[in-house]
Amino acid sequence: DTGVSQDPRHKITKRGQNVTFRCDPISEHNRLYWYRQTLGQGPEFLTYFQNEAQLEKSRLLSDRFSAERPKGSFSTLEIQRTEQGDSAMYLCASSFGSDRGYEQYFGPGTRLTVT
Amino acid sequence: AQSVTQPDIHITVSEGASLELRCNYSYGATPYLFWYVQSPGQGLQLLLKYFSGDTLVQGIKGFEAEFKRSQSSFNLRKPSVHWSDAAEYFCAVGEGNGGFKTIFGAGTRLFVKA
Repeated sequence: DTGVSQDPRHKITKRGQNVTFRCDPISEHNRLYWYRQTLGQGPEFLTYFQNEAQLEKSRLLSDRFSAERPKGSFSTLEIQRTEQGDSAMYLCASSFGSDRGYEQYFGPGTRLTVT
Repeated sequence: AQSVTQPDIHITVSEGASLELRCNYSYGATPYLFWYVQSPGQGLQLLLKYFSGDTLVQGIKGFEAEFKRSQSSFNLRKPSVHWSDAAEYFCAVGEGNGGFKTIFGAGTRLFVKA
């Protein structure tokens, strides 16, 4: 078990550019989650997948944000036309389905800075 | 809407002293409750969880928490704090089928003085 990994760990981009982050969950987990954390706040739920199906999206996830999990394994989170307000830590987590326990295991995060 | 309140933004305790971090939640049904710890530059680590059963739950690193339905609280405790416990602590409630959507509190930063 190598844990949840995220890439890149840091990303600096100029306003208006597109960025994409990758998350590799724990291999046995079928659920994958994305959260956003700003300074001094707890993580905020963005979206979650069960296998390849995206089952829930937060209102925080504007139409500039899109997430995919094409084969039910890794996931990508893309932000188009980045804005300074998108600067945050983007966290990925994974878990088993409801019959195997609900606790989510988090990756180290990708810190995005939009200049 | 479901919410989690951590009334203390930061707490300072002396090494060896006891610790209690407060957490109140708002949730209609029986909640899934969690405490996570986040050290600088580290990911969130689960300390303990409550789903059902015994309302006093034990976690890692000597932490425990007690679920009190009547007070909508899930306070985290440790009898003797170590300097390495200095970190940010988040209380969270899971909602939805299997608690998939985790709502976090704003966190309490713990400082430990020698």
